Formats: sequence, C-alpha cells, structure tokens
Amino acid sequence: EPEVTQTPSHQVTQMGQEVILRCVPISNHLYFYWYRQILGQKVEFLVSFYNNEISEKSEIFDDQFSVERPDGSNFTLKIRSTKLEDSAMYFCASSEERAGYGYTFGSGTRLTVV
Amino acid sequence: SQQGEEDPQALSIQEGENATMNCSYKTSINNLQWYRQNSGRGLVHLILIRSNEREKHSGRLRVTLDTSKKSSSLLITASRAADTASYFCATNTGTASKLTFGTGTRLQVTL
Repeated sequence: EPEVTQTPSHQVTQMGQEVILRCVPISNHLYFYWYRQILGQKVEFLVSFYNNEISEKSEIFDDQFSVERPDGSNFTLKIRSTKLEDSAMYFCASSEERAGYGYTFGSGTRLTVV
Repeated sequence: SQQGEEDPQALSIQEGENATMNCSYKTSINNLQWYRQNSGRGLVHLILIRSNEREKHSGRLRVTLDTSKKSSSLLITASRAADTASYFCATNTGTASKLTFGTGTRLQVTL
C-alpha cells in the first residue's frame, strides 16, 4: 500500500527558530496538503498545493508559513519563526484528485516549541 | 455548532457489539469522509460517501448520509478491540479541495 512519509516524527525547537517539516507524498498524486492538530483539538486545514502553487490556504497559514515542492518528490512546510502556539501534530496528505477521493495522510510530525 | 460535529464524544462498548457514531454538518457538501486515528498516529481514510449517495458499505463499516438533515452515521458491526481509536468525519464542500474535520468520537472496545 503506498504511503505518505513524514520526517521527522518528532521535532523540538526553541521559540523563534525556523523549522522545516518534510513530506514525501504518493508518487502519482497531484494534490498535496498540510493539516495540523493541536493536542485535544480538531484537525485543521492549513494549505493545499497543486501544480506547483498554493491553491487554497486557511487563516492559520499566515506569512510565517510557507510550502515548497523543491523537487519531484518532497513537499515541505516551513515555519519561519516558531511560536509556542505552533506546537501541534502536523500532517501531510496527498490525493489523486481534488475532491472526489479520500486522502492519504502521513503519520505526522509532532512539533514541540519550547 | 461548527461544521462537522460528532456525537457521542466518547463511546465504550464490548467486543462483538455494534458501534454507531454520528456526524452533523452545516453547509452543503460534495462528499463526506470518515477517518480513524489511533492514539498519536496519523489519520486513516475509511470510507467516502458522495452527496448523491445515501448508504455505503465497506467490510464491517456502514455509512449513511442524510443531506436533508445534514447528518451522517458510521456503524461498525461486530467490533473488535483493534477498532479502539478516534473516528472523525470530514466534509468536502463545493469546488474546494480542503477537508473540514469534526470533533471526533473516541471509541473504546473492551474484551
């Protein structure tokens, strides 16, 4: 079964530092997403990416966040200057089509900002 | 209430029993999906039901959708201890690709 791979599984960073979360989506998928889940809360949409550009983003995805697909396989989420409230589980997902299929999620990166 | 509210918040049953979880939403949808999350792990896609479908089955899972009531239910039959997890509904609306998740139901299946 194809998987979405995320690294690292756990990242601890100091407030104000930059972090890059990495994802390898499923190879034939065209749509890529980042979601986050603060402990005990809902899974929240951050951003979707298609055809090498952001197709949709939420209010959470402010100027501190950016995404990139630097090569044909990786999809990254960068947080420029982390805040305590950025501590959460970050999930990458990919899908074949925009809306008609289920997503495949990665196992997540637990980000802890101290 | 917000888009995608599940009830109950928590459900505890014995192995072999059926588990039913409900999801309500507010806006029109393109499809509704159910996901499972084991503690501290990623989300696993279980089943997708489109707005023009009323019922769908996959193994021990049965999902219904009532667009007039803006609600969906997930039934897990003959539950097993391995079904212990949190279950989330997620809606996809219109032409947007994002999913809006519900609050989740924590299911505990005991031996």
